[in-house]
Amino acid sequence: GENVEQHPSTLSVQEGDSAVIKCTYSDSASNYFPWYKQELGKRPQLIIDIRSNVGEKKDQRIAVTLNKTAKHFSLHITETQPEDSAVYFCAAGPFGNEKLTFGTGTRLTIIP
Amino acid sequence: EAGVVQSPRYKIIEKKQPVAFWCNPISGHNTLYWYRQNLGQGPELLIRYENEEAVDDSQLPKDRFSAERLKGVDSTLKIQPAELGDSAVYLCASSIRQVSDTQYFGPGTRLTVL
Repeated sequence: GENVEQHPSTLSVQEGDSAVIKCTYSDSASNYFPWYKQELGKRPQLIIDIRSNVGEKKDQRIAVTLNKTAKHFSLHITETQPEDSAVYFCAAGPFGNEKLTFGTGTRLTIIP
Repeated sequence: EAGVVQSPRYKIIEKKQPVAFWCNPISGHNTLYWYRQNLGQGPELLIRYENEEAVDDSQLPKDRFSAERLKGVDSTLKIQPAELGDSAVYLCASSIRQVSDTQYFGPGTRLTVL
């Protein structure tokens, strides 16, 4: 089955700086890669996703890049703000979102 | 649009007791997922329903866990008997697979087994 590794497990960034979280996956059949943000005690919420036919996707301050050859994808947050503090999870799954395998999460702390 | 609803939000039981969690997906979402999230970990899929059919229950510990989705809408996940290691957050999610890959999560039920 799929195995997703996520790094780093914790990340502290000065407000206004950029944050990068990286994930690798093992199953070449995976072609859907979402990122979820989970604030303390709250539900995971999708912030951005990418499919394997695209190398990069942006949404305002958030971007995701995908390298299918190397089987890794990354989340980039620019101009970080205190409200970006949360745990971020990457996931990988096959077409049709039948089964997502999640990474272990990155706790991002934005330092004011 | 109402999101995924789960109840209860918190549950504390003693080991060997039964417990049940309820999920109401977003209206019109035909696919429903139950995940377990251990502390400091990502969600792990337990079971996936397409309408009322359980199409992937390979990760469900069937000796003590059971689930149902009668009429293809609400779903119940049950543990009987509960063990100490079952303490976790149980998340329900739903999606419309024919339209989008996006899974929408509920707030979860935090289970503590004493």
